[in-house]
Amino acid sequence: EIVLTQSPGTLSLSPGERATLSCRASQSVSSSYLAWYQQKPGQAPRLLIYGASSRATGIPDRFSGSGSGTDFTLTISRLEPEDFAVYYCQQYGSSRYTFGQGTKLEIK
Amino acid sequence: EVQLVQSGAEVKKPGESLKISCKGSGYSFTSYWIGWVRQMPGKGLEWMGIIYPGDSDTRYSPSFQGQVTISADKSISTAYLQWSSLKASDTAMYYCAIGGGSYYAPFDYWGQGTLVTVSS
Repeated sequence: EIVLTQSPGTLSLSPGERATLSCRASQSVSSSYLAWYQQKPGQAPRLLIYGASSRATGIPDRFSGSGSGTDFTLTISRLEPEDFAVYYCQQYGSSRYTFGQGTKLEIK
Repeated sequence: EVQLVQSGAEVKKPGESLKISCKGSGYSFTSYWIGWVRQMPGKGLEWMGIIYPGDSDTRYSPSFQGQVTISADKSISTAYLQWSSLKASDTAMYYCAIGGGSYYAPFDYWGQGTLVTVSS
């Protein structure tokens, strides 16, 4: 089973700043089958990025994903108030998918 | 419009059985894998398993193998997650979600979640 480790656990930033979230896999993620989700309190997760770098439908271009192999990054170029939430990475390239433990992005 | 509508919240006692549901609409139910995700109170997302309703091919996370059963009834476009004997540690929100027609796809549509509370 591929273990995904996200860092940092909590990120405190102000609106307008740039956020960089990391996701490291215990082994190479096949074909960059890596996704990022955003979850706000009381809501289901929402797909942001798939294939490591492709934005899902309707996702603003301030969200971008990069990386390959075992190291992946989600970048939010300029934080908007609605971006403060918990973010999860997920690999779906092995026979059993797994999620990272999440990064909480909070307002500083 | 793709929709996944899950059954309502449940309150159960330890040892009881339970089956929750996820009804899909707005897409070809038999052509998309449906997965189940657990979220314990205040915790992260855990992938439990997935089923292809077209042929009932089912895969489980090692953490959930033998603990739950995933099934689907394609005649009514509904997937299920069931327990034969609940534990207090099964208290969580459970989401169903679908991705593309391929097994290797992210979850781009999610149900609203079903809250399961297990308490004596």
